Amino acid sequence: GENVEQHPSTLSVQEGDSAVIKCTYSDSASNYFPWYKQELGKRPQLIIDIRSNVGEKKDQRIAVTLNKTAKHFSLHITETQPEDSAVYFCAPRGGNQFYFGTGTSLTVIP
Amino acid sequence: EAGVAQSPRYKIIEKRQSVAFWCNPISGHATLYWYQQILGQGPKLLIQFQNNGVVDDSQLPKDRFSAERLKGVDSTLKIQPAKLEDSAVYLCASSLASSAGELFFGEGSRLTVL
Repeated sequence: GENVEQHPSTLSVQEGDSAVIKCTYSDSASNYFPWYKQELGKRPQLIIDIRSNVGEKKDQRIAVTLNKTAKHFSLHITETQPEDSAVYFCAPRGGNQFYFGTGTSLTVIP
Repeated sequence: EAGVAQSPRYKIIEKRQSVAFWCNPISGHATLYWYQQILGQGPKLLIQFQNNGVVDDSQLPKDRFSAERLKGVDSTLKIQPAKLEDSAVYLCASSLASSAGELFFGEGSRLTVL
């Protein structure tokens, strides 16, 4: 199966600062790269995704960048707010399966 | 549009007992997934169905876990006998198809094995 790693595992930022989370994967055939947000005790929810024919995608304060050659993609959150505090998972799709990363716990300090 | 429904939300059992979880995916979603999420870890795929056929069950501990999706809609996941290490949240998710994008998750079923 796909080997997926996320860095860092924990991240604390001041409100208003930016946060960046990196996901590396092993399957060169992966073609879809989503990020999920999971608040404490809640279900994971998709926040942004990108397909392999695109290098960057932005949605308001959230962006995802993809480097297929190096096999990594990153989540960028600008102007962080306390409600951004959550665990974030990358889940690159290899074949028809999604392999979730180990998660990054983001804390935004007011 | 109704989301993915799961039950029960919480279950406490003793080791060696059995338990079953139920999932009703979003209407029209052909692909259904069961994930196991142990506290502090990412979801781990247990089994993936496309309609009522199994696409991937390579990480399902088949000596104690079983799952079915009769008629290609609802699904049940059973554990028998349960072990302490099975304590986790069992998440059901669905998508339009295996090649589709977004996974839609249910609220999960939290299992505690004593």
